Amino acid sequence: GAGVSQSPSNKVTEKGKDVELRCDPISGHTALYWYRQSLGQGLEFLIYFQGNSAPDKSGLPSDRFSAERTGGSVSTLTIQRTQQEDSAVYLCASSLRQASNEAFFGQGTRLTVV
Amino acid sequence: QQQVKQSPQSLIVQKGGISIINCAYENTAFDYFPWYQQFPGKGPALLIAIRPDVSEKKEGRFTISFNKSAKQFSLHIMDSQPGDSATYFCAAHNTGGFKTIFGAGTRLFVKA
Repeated sequence: GAGVSQSPSNKVTEKGKDVELRCDPISGHTALYWYRQSLGQGLEFLIYFQGNSAPDKSGLPSDRFSAERTGGSVSTLTIQRTQQEDSAVYLCASSLRQASNEAFFGQGTRLTVV
Repeated sequence: QQQVKQSPQSLIVQKGGISIINCAYENTAFDYFPWYQQFPGKGPALLIAIRPDVSEKKEGRFTISFNKSAKQFSLHIMDSQPGDSATYFCAAHNTGGFKTIFGAGTRLFVKA
């Protein structure tokens, strides 16, 4: 499809397990963002990739969280040793650096840690 | 300096009324100010956006008012409808490559 694709759409994991969340941005978009949204809350910035520049990791809440973006396209957010407070919807967005700068969001991955 | 402050946190409006959501920013390097609308279970989607060279932008029932000197901007929804019930996020962006900064969101409920 033409939009931002995230997988899985839902993930239930046991406390202490590692999880990987995937984001396929819109082709050609150089910027990619990960956000976390707890139930009924706002968008918590996690990490930002822009082209070949070093990513802005300033929003990652702990060293259990990491992300990579391979070949300037697909991104994976990894959470190690998951905790119950990690339960949230993880949203990915991509945009062009130029033009309208509109950020296109995926549907998100709902992570539940039990 | 990177924050965008949004208010109110929640808003209840009668059908046909005007919904007003306000945002303020600090970093004068921001040069693009979008508003996003999010329905339950969906990702946010761009609703309307403005650049600081204009003071107002209108698209249908949605209007952004921008005050550059006060570093404030607001979203006005005229003739609010129950279908407008959603969470609205303001944001600020710098086309020089800085990340987009989002406000905390406003949950709007329009009563029929």
